[in-house]
Amino acid sequence: NAGVMQNPRHLVRRRGQEARLRCSPMKGHSHVYWYRQLPEEGLKFMVYLQKENIIDESGMPKERFSAEFPKEGPSILRIQQVVRGDSAAYFCASSLPPGQNTEAFFGQGTRLTVV
Amino acid sequence: RKEVEQDPGPFNVPEGATVAFNCTYSNSASQSFFWYRQDCRKEPKLLMSVYSSGNEDGRFTAQLNRASQYISLLIRDSKLSDSATYLCVVPNYGGSQGNLIFGKGTKLSVKP
Repeated sequence: NAGVMQNPRHLVRRRGQEARLRCSPMKGHSHVYWYRQLPEEGLKFMVYLQKENIIDESGMPKERFSAEFPKEGPSILRIQQVVRGDSAAYFCASSLPPGQNTEAFFGQGTRLTVV
Repeated sequence: RKEVEQDPGPFNVPEGATVAFNCTYSNSASQSFFWYRQDCRKEPKLLMSVYSSGNEDGRFTAQLNRASQYISLLIRDSKLSDSATYLCVVPNYGGSQGNLIFGKGTKLSVKP
């Protein structure tokens, strides 16, 4: 049973380009979460999605960032017109429907570097 | 008070030492808590869950003090392989592990 798969592992973009980060949850998981980790910082929640629905996007920057989790295919985190401050590790996690004993499993992350 | 605050670290200890990390949280309604371990440039992995007053798993003991709103993690007989960053984590909703609020982490370095 494959774990949470993220790709690419490393992504380099020039300022102003678009970055698309993909996350395939564990088999059977319908809940996906995206977190961002800036250098020397802790993980910050960005967005929580179920299939075809955004449940909580309270951690998403108001502009340039969007996320989706279509009925078919991986979840996508999209960053338009990237800036240097977007350079970070972006982690995706997935889980079964949340409950007290529900563990969230993380992917290996995508390291975005904006040059 | 910040949502989740941890000892700043780093902790540098010799093999075999006992080390304890503290973590304070601001949401008094939180019901469950977690310690994750993150190795350098890797993804976080769940180490322990804490739902009542505490939890013990081998050399690791987590304790919860609801009145003071802090959680601690005790590691006994430290191993070189324990070197990592330990993240204190509090869910944003009830007992869900989904929307997790992470502390900045405490770095542990165990030396021979």
